[in-house]
Amino acid sequence: EDKVVQSPLSLVVHEGDTVTLNCSYEVTNFRSLLWYKQEKKAPTFLFMLTSSGIEKKSGRLSSILDKKELFSILNITATQTGDSAIYLCAPFSGTYKYIFGTGTRLKVLA
Amino acid sequence: DAGVTQSPTHLIKTRGQQVTLRCSPKSGHDTVSWYQQALGQGPQFIFQYYEEEERQRGNFPDRFSGHQFPNYSSELNVNALLLGDSALYLCASSLGGLIAKNIQYFGAGTRLSVL
Repeated sequence: EDKVVQSPLSLVVHEGDTVTLNCSYEVTNFRSLLWYKQEKKAPTFLFMLTSSGIEKKSGRLSSILDKKELFSILNITATQTGDSAIYLCAPFSGTYKYIFGTGTRLKVLA
Repeated sequence: DAGVTQSPTHLIKTRGQQVTLRCSPKSGHDTVSWYQQALGQGPQFIFQYYEEEERQRGNFPDRFSGHQFPNYSSELNVNALLLGDSALYLCASSLGGLIAKNIQYFGAGTRLSVL
């Protein structure tokens, strides 16, 4: 059965800190993995990862995939209060659907 | 460029009733997926519609059904509502059906409360 585990479940940091969010997965015939940020309702797309070792970057956010060890990490540097949100990862399973983890709830204090 | 739109934003129903939720995909997209997100959980895949057919289904009972129209918009129907159906229902659109490299874009969801 497909499984996605995100850690930590929640995290409280101060502005300026760097955080690392983890996503481990076991899915049938893995093809790709998406990261989303969910602030209130609609998850917004951050990254798509398909190849191991290639870091994706967007401003202070970056992400990398390890297909051998079956995990991905999302890094946020110099955190801001606007980074407070739930971060979701979702690998694409060979059963032709995205499997979402429970998410990591990040709170950044001013 | 219109994003994914869902209606209504909130809905309150009682047990046993039926509900219909609606979704218009992002402009240019032809594939719609529906998710249920319970409080404190990640989105759970319900089903996906492409070319007006249900192409893939998650572990949800037959009380959950859907439809896709020729303009690619979609409806989610839930019959015989249970208290456990209370959740945020998210619609996501993409292009080209069941392809691993298709990015899904989400709407703001419909918050369903079953009393």
